[in-house]
Amino acid sequence: DAKTTQPTSMDCAEGRAANLPCNHSTISGNEYVYWYRQIHSQGPQYIIHGLKNNETNEMASLIITEDRKSSTLILPHATLRDTAVYYCIVRVAKNYGQNFVFGPGTRLSVLP
Amino acid sequence: GAGVSQTPSNKVTEKGKYVELRCDPISGHTALYWYRQSLGQGPEFLIYFQGTGAADDSGLPNDRFFAVRPEGSVSTLKIQRTERGDSAVYLCASSLFGGAAGELFFGEGSRLTVL
Repeated sequence: DAKTTQPTSMDCAEGRAANLPCNHSTISGNEYVYWYRQIHSQGPQYIIHGLKNNETNEMASLIITEDRKSSTLILPHATLRDTAVYYCIVRVAKNYGQNFVFGPGTRLSVLP
Repeated sequence: GAGVSQTPSNKVTEKGKYVELRCDPISGHTALYWYRQSLGQGPEFLIYFQGTGAADDSGLPNDRFFAVRPEGSVSTLKIQRTERGDSAVYLCASSLFGGAAGELFFGEGSRLTVL
């Protein structure tokens, strides 16, 4: 199973872009990269996912390197409400089931 | 409701007691997951259902933990002879497909405290 490595914590100024890195050097060719976030006392919330092309939605952009060994989640204009723990996950498929393996994530603090 | 619903939101019990935690997934979602989250850590996978069957229960820590989903919708996580180490937030998630690129939708969790 592929593992991910993320910084423990990061700060970002309100209104600036937040760039959250993730390393997944052992990712397999058919594994997706997912990002979730968890605001205090809530369940995790899906943000975005991708396979090898860059992706963008209303919440964020996902940049995946050409060799797929790392990726960056970009929140273009961070707000105080984006303060949360961000999880980078590589999806593992087992037979007909699957599970998303969450690591400790990156605690992002958006500062006023 | 529109989202994943979990009850109770908080449960305090004594060591050795039996506990049931309920999850009501999003209507039509065939895949259902249970996770456990301890303070300061990421969610830890417990079990995954596809329909009524447990497709992957490799995360259940021991035989005190059991989960059912008899009609392919609501699921119940059952913990026998609770121990203080079982204290955590138990998260339920559902997914439309459970395969390819199905994103997970999580509930707010059930906080279990074992005294």
